[in-house]
Amino acid sequence: EDQVTQSPEALRLQEGESSSLNCSYTVSGLRGLFWYRQDPGKGPEFLFTLYSAGEEKEKERLKATLTKKESFLHITAPKPEDSATYLCAVHANRDDKIIFGKGTRLHILP
Amino acid sequence: NAGVTQTPKFRILKIGQSMTLQCTQDMNHNYMYWYRQDPGMGLKLIYYSVGAGITDKGEVPNGYNVSRSTTEDFPLRLELAAPSQTSVYFCASSHGTGAYGYTFGSGTRLTVV
Repeated sequence: EDQVTQSPEALRLQEGESSSLNCSYTVSGLRGLFWYRQDPGKGPEFLFTLYSAGEEKEKERLKATLTKKESFLHITAPKPEDSATYLCAVHANRDDKIIFGKGTRLHILP
Repeated sequence: NAGVTQTPKFRILKIGQSMTLQCTQDMNHNYMYWYRQDPGMGLKLIYYSVGAGITDKGEVPNGYNVSRSTTEDFPLRLELAAPSQTSVYFCASSHGTGAYGYTFGSGTRLTVV
């Protein structure tokens, strides 16, 4: 069965304190791995797609990396406006749809 | 460009009532999806559609029905509402299978009492 596990469930950081969020996955052939950001009361917002091990994508203070078993979302020198829930999702080769993890709630303290 | 529009934003239903959650997209996306999100449980796929006239069940379809008569619209029907259907519902669309990401609506918060 395809699975996506995110850790930690919640993370509190001081402004400027860099850290990483983890997404471990088990799928029968990975077509793509996605990261989304979700603010309270809103729908998820697409951030990145990663396709193969070794690939990296960057956007402002965020960098996503991918290995054969997991992905990391690195947050460098975060600001309070980076506070949100970050969702990871995977697309298996045999499917028309993606599976979401439960997310990591990130809180950046000023 | 409105993207994905969901209505209503909030709704309270009594047990046994029925309702339709509306979803419209203006991006000419062929794929559309309905998810529910419960606290601490992540997004669960209810139904999806790969094009007009084609729908398929997701992970948690029981108690729901969908139709896709046009590319733009993908309504979700709740029949005989139950407290277990209290949740936040999100509609999403994508071009193809989502390699460029899904575009989500802002959600409908439904409470069944």
